[in-house]
Amino acid sequence: DAKTTQPTSMDCAEGRAANLPCNHSTISGNEYVYWYRQIHSQGPQYIIHGLKNNETNEMASLIITEDRKSSTLILPHATLRDTAVYYCIVRATYNFNKFYFGSGTKLNVKP
Amino acid sequence: DVKVTQSSRYLVKRTGEKVFLECVQDMDHENMFWYRQDPGLGLRLIYFSYDVKMKEKGDIPEGYSVSREKKERFSLILESASTNQTSMYLCASSLLAGSYNEQFFGPGTRLTVL
Repeated sequence: DAKTTQPTSMDCAEGRAANLPCNHSTISGNEYVYWYRQIHSQGPQYIIHGLKNNETNEMASLIITEDRKSSTLILPHATLRDTAVYYCIVRATYNFNKFYFGSGTKLNVKP
Repeated sequence: DVKVTQSSRYLVKRTGEKVFLECVQDMDHENMFWYRQDPGLGLRLIYFSYDVKMKEKGDIPEGYSVSREKKERFSLILESASTNQTSMYLCASSLLAGSYNEQFFGPGTRLTVL
């Protein structure tokens, strides 16, 4: 599975949009992009996933570049409860068991 | 609401003890997973199971075994706990293999081996 690169940490003001970038330049055609987050002392929580089209759900939006080498997770109106470590993961469709969680991005939402 | 529960949030054991970590899911999922999470290393897969009584080794199975006697329950066993097994242990479950199967995680068990 392709590895990902994310910034170590980011700050965001409460109520503003949080844009979390992820580079996955070695992604292959059958690999999906997943985003999870982990709030302190809890298990990871699924947020969203996509293949090549942009996706939106009740939690976030996922923007994938046309060449699929990078993506951005957007939390439209960040709240203090969104403070967490956000993981960007790429995974092949056949590798159902292989979720490689890297170090992620620590998002600090500030009042 | 989907739920994965783990038997303990915090556990302290002594070197050489046999340790059982239990995980139960109520979503009728076929797949279940055990990970450990350590600072700087992310999540690493220990074992997974895609059916009752079936198990497959993950990336770091040494020192661990698993048991899946019922679909909803997946146990992780440390036959003889060692200090380097001090870690956060996370259980997860998912539907059958496929491109869309998100994993649902439990709250984790923080194990300390003295």
